[in-house]
Amino acid sequence: EDKVVQSPLSLVVHEGDTVTLNCSYEVTNFRSLLWYKQEKKAPTFLFMLTSSGIEKKSGRLSSILDKKELSSILNITATQTGDSAIYLCAVRPMEYGNKLVFGAGTILRVKS
Amino acid sequence: DAGITQSPRHKVTETGTPVTLRCHQTENHRYMYWYRQDPGHGLRLIHYSYGVKDTDKGEVSDGYSVSRSKTEDFLLTLESATSSQTSVYFCAISERETESNQPQHFGDGTRLSIL
Repeated sequence: EDKVVQSPLSLVVHEGDTVTLNCSYEVTNFRSLLWYKQEKKAPTFLFMLTSSGIEKKSGRLSSILDKKELSSILNITATQTGDSAIYLCAVRPMEYGNKLVFGAGTILRVKS
Repeated sequence: DAGITQSPRHKVTETGTPVTLRCHQTENHRYMYWYRQDPGHGLRLIHYSYGVKDTDKGEVSDGYSVSRSKTEDFLLTLESATSSQTSVYFCAISERETESNQPQHFGDGTRLSIL
């Protein structure tokens, strides 16, 4: 059974701190790993990592895929209160249907 | 933002009643998905569709059925709602199944409470 585990489950930091969120996975025939940010409503897409693109960066957010360790990290530097959200990691196995398997998420709260 | 509209946005109903949630997209994407989100479980796939009249089960499909008669609409039905189906339901869409395909994009969700 495909499985995605995120850690920590929740995290409280102060503005300006750097945080690292973790995602580990067990899937048959890995295709890609995706990170989403969820505030009050819909999850919004952040990054997609594949065998041909193991590192992505956008502003203060960056993510790395470690295919040997079957894991990924999401880094946020110089955190702001607007970074407070649930961060979801999902893995896409190599199977029909373009489906995703999600982890439970990490709840990040950034205090001012 | 992806053109995805879920309706209703909120619903309260009683155990044993039928409930239908609607997802409407304006992107002409092939794949559509229904998820439920519960604390501690993240998003879990209920059913998905890979074209008109083509649907398949996800990991938590018991008690749910779906229909897709048009590319733009994907309906989720709870034939006889139970309290365990109280949840937030999200619809998602994606374009095609290739290595470089686009990620799934999500609607704003429907909060369903079954009393």
